[in-house]
Amino acid sequence: SAVISQKPSRDICQRGTSLTIQCQVDSQVTMMFWYRQQPGQSLTLIATANQGSEATYESGFVIDKFPISRPNLTFSTLTVSNMSPEDSSIYLCSVVTRTSYEQYFGPGTRLTVT
Amino acid sequence: GDSVTQMEGPVTLSEEAFLTINCTYTATGYPSLFWYVQYPGEGLQLLLKATKADDKGSNKGFEATYRKETTSFHLEKGSVQVSDSAVYFCALSDYKKSSGDKLTFGTGTRLAVRP
Repeated sequence: SAVISQKPSRDICQRGTSLTIQCQVDSQVTMMFWYRQQPGQSLTLIATANQGSEATYESGFVIDKFPISRPNLTFSTLTVSNMSPEDSSIYLCSVVTRTSYEQYFGPGTRLTVT
Repeated sequence: GDSVTQMEGPVTLSEEAFLTINCTYTATGYPSLFWYVQYPGEGLQLLLKATKADDKGSNKGFEATYRKETTSFHLEKGSVQVSDSAVYFCALSDYKKSSGDKLTFGTGTRLAVRP
């Protein structure tokens, strides 16, 4: 398995500002992903974080709004830019390990935009 | 594209009742199938998985069998406990496609178990 931490665990932000969420894993992993879970909804994949190159975004998500970095095999950041109340969600980092090929999720970052 | 359909909740049961949560999928490749659970205030945890047809995943008394002929992966438990109250998500991943390990989730089913 993998132990994943996310910072911050929650935040309340004003519209128009940006928030960077960090994801740290305790071991090297093959793939890292960022998901969004809007209130009462299922999880939607935002992008695949690629080490040392630009992230791969899903339809409906763009780099200007959700810039992602992954400088090494154990760390990634997601920035939610120019926030609006519609961005209020839980943002989750997930990883696929080199050993089990299973996907593990971080505890999530609960974001509220006012 | 790939999709997962789950029965709508909430599902409310008395303790020791039998649980079934239906899940069907659509995929053009050869997906692996998963059940994830989200307990109140916690993150998503992998509950069980099956990687090929007729596989049965099991964990903590929960079971699900990968049925290719009916494209289903229904979750079952013979006797639920109050501690099983959570939201359950069915998901698939199609390793054969360029999407790699991306998970496609169902909408989730909330289970409430009464003492």
